[in-house]
Amino acid sequence: DGGITQSPKYLFRKEGQNVTLSCEQNLNHDAMYWYRQDPGQGLRLIYYSQIVNDFQKGDIAEGYSVSREKKESFPLTVTSAQKNPTAFYLCASSTGGNTQPQHFGDGTRLSIL
Amino acid sequence: SQQGEEDPQALSIQEGENATMNCSYKTSINNLQWYRQNSGRGLVHLILIRSNEREKHSGRLRVTLDTSKKSSSLLITASRAADTASYFCAHPNNAGNMLTFGGGTRLMVKP
Repeated sequence: DGGITQSPKYLFRKEGQNVTLSCEQNLNHDAMYWYRQDPGQGLRLIYYSQIVNDFQKGDIAEGYSVSREKKESFPLTVTSAQKNPTAFYLCASSTGGNTQPQHFGDGTRLSIL
Repeated sequence: SQQGEEDPQALSIQEGENATMNCSYKTSINNLQWYRQNSGRGLVHLILIRSNEREKHSGRLRVTLDTSKKSSSLLITASRAADTASYFCAHPNNAGNMLTFGGGTRLMVKP
């Protein structure tokens, strides 16, 4: 079955630490996205990538970094510069463009120790 | 960010009743999408309606789009307890290069 896999499901970060969230898809999608969701809120776009080796900042990119070395993978690093990282992080993919549905993983919940 | 585009923010109904959620937006769009999110899970795409369509059906779901009022509604008929979830609308942003999600409607269907 094709889909998107996010890992880990839960992650804890210490002060001053960088952590990396994994996102892998086997849907052969060109575009991938990272969103942040705070409790009771909608989704805010952190970064997106429309093609391998290319990515753009979304609305809230500060304190985050990404890479897109392979079509299947789009890892997100939450750096120590992100002072309020506690949130639910969702990865999505699509065939590209804004008229195509996005397929989501089941998220990673990040908390501060 | 364009949060808070949906209303109501929360809705509680009895099983068998219909649930209506509304979404408003500010830009010109070529499509609007509805997603569902079960607690602690990712979003699942429900339906996409294009700007030249006024109404679309999928099973117990009915979506309308009024581009003159810049609004859309999602109707779930004959609701079931399993419909309990958050529902989000999403539409292209001003630049048309990404989707903007609303703040969602939390629906609770009581058995």
